[in-house]
Amino acid sequence: DAGVTQSPTHLIKTRGQQVTLRCSPKSGHDTVSWYQQALGQGPQFIFQYYEEEERQRGNFPDRFSGHQFPNYSSELNVNALLLGDSALYLCASSPPFYTGELFFGEGSRLTVL
Amino acid sequence: LAKTTQPISMDSYEGQEVNITCSHNNIATNDYITWYQQFPSQGPRFIIQGYKTKVTNEVASLFIPADRKSSTLSLPRVSLSDTAVYYCLVGENSGGGADGLTFGKGTHLIIQP
Repeated sequence: DAGVTQSPTHLIKTRGQQVTLRCSPKSGHDTVSWYQQALGQGPQFIFQYYEEEERQRGNFPDRFSGHQFPNYSSELNVNALLLGDSALYLCASSPPFYTGELFFGEGSRLTVL
Repeated sequence: LAKTTQPISMDSYEGQEVNITCSHNNIATNDYITWYQQFPSQGPRFIIQGYKTKVTNEVASLFIPADRKSSTLSLPRVSLSDTAVYYCLVGENSGGGADGLTFGKGTHLIIQP
């Protein structure tokens, strides 16, 4: 049983560009959350998707957007990249009856030059 | 969301018991306390969750006093592989998924031989 998978694992972009990160949740999970983790900091909540809708959002600008597909996979899009967007982007999934455990992927390391 | 405070770093030795305390003075009635472990360049991994008193699983114990304003994660007989960052989180187990759990900076635990 595959866990949460994310792609790509690493990528480099330049300021002003756009990026799309992808996440496949653990089998049987229907909720996907995205986090940004800067170097030396804890993960910061970006948003959560459930039933293809954004259910909750953290304190991130509209440059950060997402999507959830009928198969529960999800994408995170970031427009007009800034140097400060360089971080590890983590996807976490949870099952229909949440028991308190989030399952995280290995993350996508984004470097903005 | 209740804010958490935990030590920035701790040192210990192989074979010792390690206790990491987290303060959460503003914890709400419906909040649970959850601990995650994170290794470099990996996603966090769930360790344990509790609401009150004591919870034990195969890797750790969680002690929560009656007022629930703090909690202590206990790791028995640590090894070098327990060197990681440990996060204490407080939030509700609501709906179909975690409502934007807030990670602080965590405690960097270093285990020496």
